[in-house]
This record gives sequence, C-alpha cells and structure tokens, in this order.
Amino acid sequence: DTGVSQNPRHKITKRGQNVTFRCDPISEHNRLYWYRQTLGQGPEFLTYFQNEAQLEKSRLLSDRFSAERPKGSFSTLEIQRTEQGDSAMYLCASSPTSVRAEQYFGPGTRLTVT
Amino acid sequence: AQSVAQPEDQVNVAEGNPLTVKCTYSVSGNPYLFWYVQYPNRGLQFLLKYITGDNLVKGSYGFEAEFNKSQTSFHLKKPSALVSDSALYFCAVRRQAGTALIFGKGTTLSVSS
Repeated sequence: DTGVSQNPRHKITKRGQNVTFRCDPISEHNRLYWYRQTLGQGPEFLTYFQNEAQLEKSRLLSDRFSAERPKGSFSTLEIQRTEQGDSAMYLCASSPTSVRAEQYFGPGTRLTVT
Repeated sequence: AQSVAQPEDQVNVAEGNPLTVKCTYSVSGNPYLFWYVQYPNRGLQFLLKYITGDNLVKGSYGFEAEFNKSQTSFHLKKPSALVSDSALYFCAVRRQAGTALIFGKGTTLSVSS
C-alpha cells in the first residue's frame, strides 16, 4: 500500500509529557498537511509544508506544537507539555503541488492525554 | 471567513432509495469543493471534487454532487443507496488561492436493509 501512513496509531500520555507523531506521505507528493479532529467535528487545519518549507500555520498551532519535515519527505508533529485539551485525532494528508489536487489522508494518530 | 455547513447531523435512508447529503459553503472568490467519507478507525477517503466546468460531478462508488453557485451548495447524491454506504461524510471547501481545507462537521449516513 503506497498511501499516507502515520505512527503511532494510538498514543496515551500523561498531562505534561511530550509526544511526537510521524507521517509518511505518498512519495511523489510535495505538499504535506497536518489536521486535528475532535469528536463530533470535522478536521481542522494546523499547518502545511511545501517540500521542507513550512509555509502556513493555523492559529490553532500554539507554541507547544512544532512540526518539521526534514529533507521534504516524512514529517513529525511534536506536542510539548501536553494538556487534556490536546486529546484528539491528528491527521496527516499529502497532495501534489497543483492547487486543483485533492488531499489524501492517513489513518490518523489518536492522542489521549490523561 | 471561509465556512462549510452540513445542516443534518444524520441522514437515514433505506437500501435502494436515493440519498442526498447536504452541504452549503461560504468562501471569497471561486471555491474548490470536496467530499470525503470516513469509516470507523480509518482515515478520510476522497470521493469527488468540483474545480470548474460541469456543475454535476461524478465520483467514486456511484456518488455524484451538484455544484450550485447561486445557492452556494454542493450536495452529495447517489441514486440507489447501499448498506455499505453507511459512514461519516464530510464536505470541504478551499479557496482557489488557498491550501487548507475547511471542513463541515460531518453527516452520518445510515442505510438500513
């Protein structure tokens, strides 16, 4: 399967701990996106990369959140000093550069902060 | 500001009947519109998109959607529902110059046999 993959699929952590998620996009896709989805809501945009450059960040992305995409391949999303409000599904998507292209989503990482 | 409204939290239809899942949007300029489906414990799967051209767009699994600019709507339709269509459906919009998708809250489709 050459789709978008995310690891881990589930993460349970205690409040105050740091967590890191990984996303591997479809190999030929230049753009990579992170979204957050809470129960009963649609996904909300967090940030996106064009190759290795982080070009846009949502106001939802507080200072405790950082994302990287070294070498323009996989990406990591780190949350420092987790809070219970960070509990959500974190989705990664990738797409070609074309503005007309749809985004392809991974299965997500479900974070539970206790 | 961009926004998407899916006015129905749940749609119930009988197998074999036509289905419609409603979506209205608000965006500056011309929109790019998308429908995604989400099955339990799986990521969002792309169904179809409207970029330009014919207002009736056909997509995966027999789904289609009609773009109506005057009503700012993009309703998802299927002539004959299957039990396997039961899932959570999301409508999304993106500005032509933008990158992020703005999603609605989702509509749960339940198809009974």
